[in-house]
Amino acid sequence: GAVVSQHPSWVICKSGTSVKIECRSLDFQATTMFWYRQFPKQSLMLMATSNEGSKATYEQGVEKDKFLINHASLTLSTLTVTSAHPEDSSFYICSASNPSDTDTQYFGPGTRLTVL
Amino acid sequence: AQRVTQPEKLLSVFKGAPVELKCNYSYSGSPELFWYVQYSRQRLQLLLRHISRESIKGFTADLNKGETSFHLKKPFAQEEDSAMYYCALSEGIYNFNKFYFGSGTKLNVKP
Repeated sequence: GAVVSQHPSWVICKSGTSVKIECRSLDFQATTMFWYRQFPKQSLMLMATSNEGSKATYEQGVEKDKFLINHASLTLSTLTVTSAHPEDSSFYICSASNPSDTDTQYFGPGTRLTVL
Repeated sequence: AQRVTQPEKLLSVFKGAPVELKCNYSYSGSPELFWYVQYSRQRLQLLLRHISRESIKGFTADLNKGETSFHLKKPFAQEEDSAMYYCALSEGIYNFNKFYFGSGTKLNVKP
């Protein structure tokens, strides 16, 4: 099956610092990965689409300078929350599509970010 | 624009009772609809998708284009079905297979 991992699983940082979250597809190559944000007891909100070798496309209302996305290889996408503030505290989830089954997205376990 | 609507935040049923989790969508093209499930402390995982017309863990869902619905049904709920259920819509390959999720319904199956 398709497995997606995220690292770290949780992170606590001080306000004003930057935090990088990694998303890896472990057993397939993903040309496209997706980043979501999930607030407590709410649904997943699509933040951006990460495309290997090109710029990410952001959903309306998501600050691209705040949430930097880099898809450096076919198995790795990173999300960097820059100059983090307490309101950025959330659960960040990535997903990837297996090229052999592009209809379906496979999700990572998520990263809990807490900004103090 | 809200593409996927799940009107119920919480649904409680007794074991053995039928269950229906509602999902309505708004999309002008030909959507691809999915149900994802999230068990306690686990990641989201695919439950079923409309194009495969399969039954997983006793759950089925039929795409009704006239009513723009994709309700999830199971005739006899089990305690292990307790989880968060998310309906999702994909805009297909023409929009990078982006997924949009409903707000989710928490299913609680009581013994």
